[in-house]
Amino acid sequence: GDQVEQSPSALSLHEGTGSALRCNFTTTMRAVQWFQQNSRGSLINLFYLASGTKENGRLKSTFNSKESYSTLHIRDAQLEDSGTYFCAAEDGTEGADRLTFGKGTQLIIQP
Amino acid sequence: NAGVIQTPRHKVTGKGQEATLWCEPISGHSAVFWYRQTIVQGLEFLTYFRNQAPIDDSGMPKERFSAQMPNQSHSTLKIQSTQPQDSAVYLCASSPTGRGNQAPLFGEGTRLSVL
Repeated sequence: GDQVEQSPSALSLHEGTGSALRCNFTTTMRAVQWFQQNSRGSLINLFYLASGTKENGRLKSTFNSKESYSTLHIRDAQLEDSGTYFCAAEDGTEGADRLTFGKGTQLIIQP
Repeated sequence: NAGVIQTPRHKVTGKGQEATLWCEPISGHSAVFWYRQTIVQGLEFLTYFRNQAPIDDSGMPKERFSAQMPNQSHSTLKIQSTQPQDSAVYLCASSPTGRGNQAPLFGEGTRLSVL
């Protein structure tokens, strides 16, 4: 099965509202990274966490390695937040520096 | 800082031809990663170099795919005898060391279309 289970697969929000995306991990992960993929296909770094919580503007992310999950909260959603969001995790195995990606959440922000 | 540079941005090949994709990592970054993105499989790890040495190629298809990093300023991904199922966006990323607390940064990718 997938090591990184991301949900929901799709989400529609009205401007000004908020929601949360979640990734569950089936194995111990050392760190998690969240990306937004824009319409050009570029992967934009949002957060990199080895533990705890980080906040940047209207976005906040938490990584709980003990309980094997990470969340990305979006508040006061804007039209430019539309895109596909991916979580990706670094395996905790020594030397395993590769990222394992979730399947993504397609986020649509409606006026 | 121009970020990770990938060339070409788009490549179209005929079935059976060879394709070479180029990546220039961020100056000073010693770790270079290759990933592939398709609609069906999503984003998949292919291979990884640190200080130009191959570290992990566990995601590379066993046949037709190879990657090199001849110097610290570029890496190449070569696909021989391309097949339609090789069509994908190939993404390169670099990070300062490839170790924890240093997030890899991605290039804009090369979209490969095999006809």
